[in-house]
Amino acid sequence: SQQGEEDPQALSIQEGENATMNCSYKTSINNLQWYRQNSGRGLVHLILIRSNEREKHSGRLRVTLDTSKKSSSLLITASRAADTASYFCATDEAGGYNKLIFGAGTRLAVHP
Amino acid sequence: NAGVTQTPKFQVLKTGQSMTLQCAQDMNHEYMSWYRQDPGMGLRLIHYSVGAGITDQGEVPNGYNVSRSTTEDFPLRLLSAAPSQTSVYFCASSYAQSRRGTEAFFGQGTRLTVV
Repeated sequence: SQQGEEDPQALSIQEGENATMNCSYKTSINNLQWYRQNSGRGLVHLILIRSNEREKHSGRLRVTLDTSKKSSSLLITASRAADTASYFCATDEAGGYNKLIFGAGTRLAVHP
Repeated sequence: NAGVTQTPKFQVLKTGQSMTLQCAQDMNHEYMSWYRQDPGMGLRLIHYSVGAGITDQGEVPNGYNVSRSTTEDFPLRLLSAAPSQTSVYFCASSYAQSRRGTEAFFGQGTRLTVV
């Protein structure tokens, strides 16, 4: 079964608004990663947060990790139409070797 | 530096046919993996390899074979295609886990239809 589960499955917002996506997982992890996929394309790495980190920033992205609740969130601030894509969390299980297990993703639509 | 290259981009097979999906990377990554992506299911891990000569099964390995004779190449073989294998296949590579984590690089995918 899949490790990560994203919530919501779909999100529709206006340009300039913030978008928040959540991810829950089941087992102990080394790190959690977020990826973006534009329609019909491969996945692109956005940000990695390690199990001993609680928050990380990269440009307009902010990721939090709560290992006690086995959950993470991705916040995209001041969304743009170009942010329209699917976003996936992926977990790297503790003791593993970068074997990433993905959730089903959140489809984000940002309207001009 | 081409990154991760997958061929072909599109393929239609008849049930029972065999084929090999090719994946090559030029980043000297130890770790390579194959995923399939079905609508609403996200990516599911088929097989992975932590180095030349070493492969292991992922979440959905049935119906697929892999081998890793070189660091650069990691082909995925379908021995007898079934309609249930209709999907988009992605190959990914990364440096081996250093307990600090590392990003994975993905190919552009192969869209396979089995009729």
